[in-house]
Amino acid sequence: SQQGEEDPQALSIQEGENATMNCSYKTSINNLQWYRQNSGRGLVHLILIRSNEREKHSGRLRVTLDTSKKSSSLLITASRAADTASYFCATDAGYGNKLVFGAGTILRVKS
Amino acid sequence: EPEVTQTPSHQVTQMGQEVILRCVPISNHLYFYWYRQILGQKVEFLVSFYNNEISEKSEIFDDQFSVERPDGSNFTLKIRSTKLEDSAMYFCASSAWFSGRGNEQFFGPGTRLTVL
Repeated sequence: SQQGEEDPQALSIQEGENATMNCSYKTSINNLQWYRQNSGRGLVHLILIRSNEREKHSGRLRVTLDTSKKSSSLLITASRAADTASYFCATDAGYGNKLVFGAGTILRVKS
Repeated sequence: EPEVTQTPSHQVTQMGQEVILRCVPISNHLYFYWYRQILGQKVEFLVSFYNNEISEKSEIFDDQFSVERPDGSNFTLKIRSTKLEDSAMYFCASSAWFSGRGNEQFFGPGTRLTVL
């Protein structure tokens, strides 16, 4: 089954350091999306990368996609305490289709 | 910036009662979704809705669940007879899919449903 799985499960870094989170999935996809969730809150859309794209940037975020390895990574540069949250990847296999979420990476940025 | 809204933010109900969770998707969006997240677990897909009908539903979305777009702006999820295991955060999402854009789904803040 198509499923995003993130690693690490938890990551603790100092403010100013970079944070890298990885996501693997099992089937072909149309796109992969990354979301942030602050504790007990809603999901905030960060970035979408299509299956024909290899890298995408948005501010301090950099996302890569390797369809041959069925994996993606999210890099947050120069992290801030406010980046503390859970980060999820979600895969989309078709138009208007459901997103399948991974279990997430809990990121803690210490100031 | 347009956003998805959901009401109520928190709903407490007794087992066996009916609940209706409400969502107002982003106005020019065409696809609508419900997801849920049991505390400490993954976000799970429930149902997608397009052109006034269900496009896809998961195994979770059984006969106790229904969705409706009653007036062209609201999108509702009804649970007819709630069970303890229905306690979760329920998220509504919408997307403005059209060719070349991609299926970016924007989520509401969620409704926390507690079944006692």
